[in-house]
Amino acid sequence: EPEVTQTPSHQVTQMGQEVILRCVPISNHLYFYWYRQILGQKVEFLVSFYNNEISEKSEIFDDQFSVERPDGSNFTLKIRSTKLEDSAMYFCASSLRTGGYNEQFFGPGTRLTVL
Amino acid sequence: EDKVVQSPLSLVVHEGDTVTLNCSYEVTNFRSLLWYKQEKKAPTFLFMLTSSGIEKKSGRLSSILDKKELFSILNITATQTGDSAVYLCAVEADFGNEKLTFGTGTRLTIIP
Repeated sequence: EPEVTQTPSHQVTQMGQEVILRCVPISNHLYFYWYRQILGQKVEFLVSFYNNEISEKSEIFDDQFSVERPDGSNFTLKIRSTKLEDSAMYFCASSLRTGGYNEQFFGPGTRLTVL
Repeated sequence: EDKVVQSPLSLVVHEGDTVTLNCSYEVTNFRSLLWYKQEKKAPTFLFMLTSSGIEKKSGRLSSILDKKELFSILNITATQTGDSAVYLCAVEADFGNEKLTFGTGTRLTIIP
């Protein structure tokens, strides 16, 4: 069964460093998303991406964040200058939006630890 | 602001029991409600409920949506230890908003 994959599974970085989190969505899906989950808290929406551009973003997704689809398969989230409060599990998701309904499938996540 | 509230926050039952998990929501222009199971990492999709599909069933799991009272329930019958997980409820607003708004989840623990 097709699935969303993410790398790395765990990333440790120093505050102020740049990180790139990678995702390979399900191959025929057209809509891509990043969410994050701070330990013990809700899953929170960051950004959605369709047709090579951002379609919606949350207040969390400030100028430190960017997304890119550099080729036909990868979808990346870059954090330019990490802060301690960026430590969280980051989930990538994708959907096909068949009939307009948004059944999103999630990857296994990347645990980001900022020291 | 869209809001999703799940109850209870946690639940401990014995194997074989039946459980009911609750999700209430406030969202402008409701479009769909989704249930996910989160074990160690990724939320795994269970059901999507919409105006045209207010009842879903898969094996021992079933879910209904009450659009008038703005809530959904997830039922699990004959629970097994493998059902132990956090169950997440999420809602999607109208077509222009693609994000899912999640509740805090219900942590379900099944004791053998």
